[in-house]
Amino acid sequence: SQTIHQWPATLVQPVGSPLSLECTVEGTSNPNLYWYRQAAGRGLQLLFYSVGIGQISSEVPQNLSASRPQDRQFILSSKKLLLSDSGFYLCAWRTDIEKGRGGWDTGELFFGEGSRLTVL
Amino acid sequence: RKEVEQDPGPFNVPEGATVAFNCTYSNSASQSFFWYRQDCRKEPKLLMSVYSSGNEDGRFTAQLNRASQYISLLIRDSKLSDSATYLCVVSSWGFNKFYFGSGTKLNVKP
Repeated sequence: SQTIHQWPATLVQPVGSPLSLECTVEGTSNPNLYWYRQAAGRGLQLLFYSVGIGQISSEVPQNLSASRPQDRQFILSSKKLLLSDSGFYLCAWRTDIEKGRGGWDTGELFFGEGSRLTVL
Repeated sequence: RKEVEQDPGPFNVPEGATVAFNCTYSNSASQSFFWYRQDCRKEPKLLMSVYSSGNEDGRFTAQLNRASQYISLLIRDSKLSDSATYLCVVSSWGFNKFYFGSGTKLNVKP
């Protein structure tokens, strides 16, 4: 079965410090991977998604970046954190459903347990 | 205009009540629809996918109205454990994006 892991679970960082959050998926190959952020009391904001190694699409221009050095590894980084970067960061992977006759449907997202970042 | 809109609530209902949430989406090309549940300070978890013909899973019923571009979730016989935030999610094949509503908070009271 497929699993997704994120770490660290919680971190407190000073403004201006760097950030690295890591996400790995097991039990599947070539997954579509996503980074979302959820600010306190808010909805999920898509930050980045990746359809393959080295392929990153950015949704929101900001001081964050993402990398996918391996098929099942997705990393979220920042060189200098801002106060506004505080939030709950969620990594997710997506299934696809084969419909038959070569057709596909978008499957659901499965989330990691999240990394809660507080920038002080 | 937001891709997905939901009433934020909160909906405060007694145990045993029936409660319904609606969600509207703006992209008529959307093809995949889901309801997720998120407990406080936890990751969202899939509650159910929403199919064109409507589908039921125990006390939960999901419906899709493509003409009016809305999705609904009905919860019957509410339990205390149903208290959570319910997220409406919409996606389109090939676009690699999932759009989340901001969530509807449900509080089930004894």
